[in-house]
Amino acid sequence: GAGVSQSPSNKVTEKGKDVELRCDPISGHTALYWYRQSLGQGLEFLIYFQGNSAPDKSGLPSDRFSAERTGGSVSTLTIQRTQQEDSAVYLCASSLRGGLTEAFFGQGTRLTVV
Amino acid sequence: DAKTTQPNSMESNEEEPVHLPCNHSTISGTDYIHWYRQLPSQGPEYVIHGLISNVNNRMASLAIAEDRKSSTLILHRATLRDAAVYYCILRDSGNEKLTFGTGTRLTIIP
Repeated sequence: GAGVSQSPSNKVTEKGKDVELRCDPISGHTALYWYRQSLGQGLEFLIYFQGNSAPDKSGLPSDRFSAERTGGSVSTLTIQRTQQEDSAVYLCASSLRGGLTEAFFGQGTRLTVV
Repeated sequence: DAKTTQPNSMESNEEEPVHLPCNHSTISGTDYIHWYRQLPSQGPEYVIHGLISNVNNRMASLAIAEDRKSSTLILHRATLRDAAVYYCILRDSGNEKLTFGTGTRLTIIP
């Protein structure tokens, strides 16, 4: 079956521009996560959505970062006024119910800010 | 959040068993032990999880110490495809997010 889909797979943007990254979770999964991974580093939690609950935004690094999840399905991560330090792979994951259920990750979006 | 400690790197010969250790001395009674791995240029994938008893699945086995302060992920017969970074993560139902540490980079020697 279809896994977690992220688009675009690669994005190059100029410093100061806004970017939107999209995540299509597995159908029926109520939980959705965003992480980022800088080159050679571990995964950094950004935000978590679970059903209709208020999202856990505790990992967003600054107010330039925001995310929404429409209709409990597709999610968009927006980075405003991009900086070079935002360059990383942005990974999305979904799970059936959150909590202890297995998380399935997408292939990620590689963002390069020049 | 309870923390985990893993060796930075390990090597193993192909077709031999691999034992990947994880220490979690501050684990709470409601923490499950999860393992994920990340193959090169891919997102992480789930491997296995357990609470108290040892667990087996098609990918690996998880051996949990009696005091639950440590655990070991066992790959019974390593292949080149098992070369990845392996993450040991503690998770309870009240902590929804997966917190990844630095993991163990496993190299398989042909």
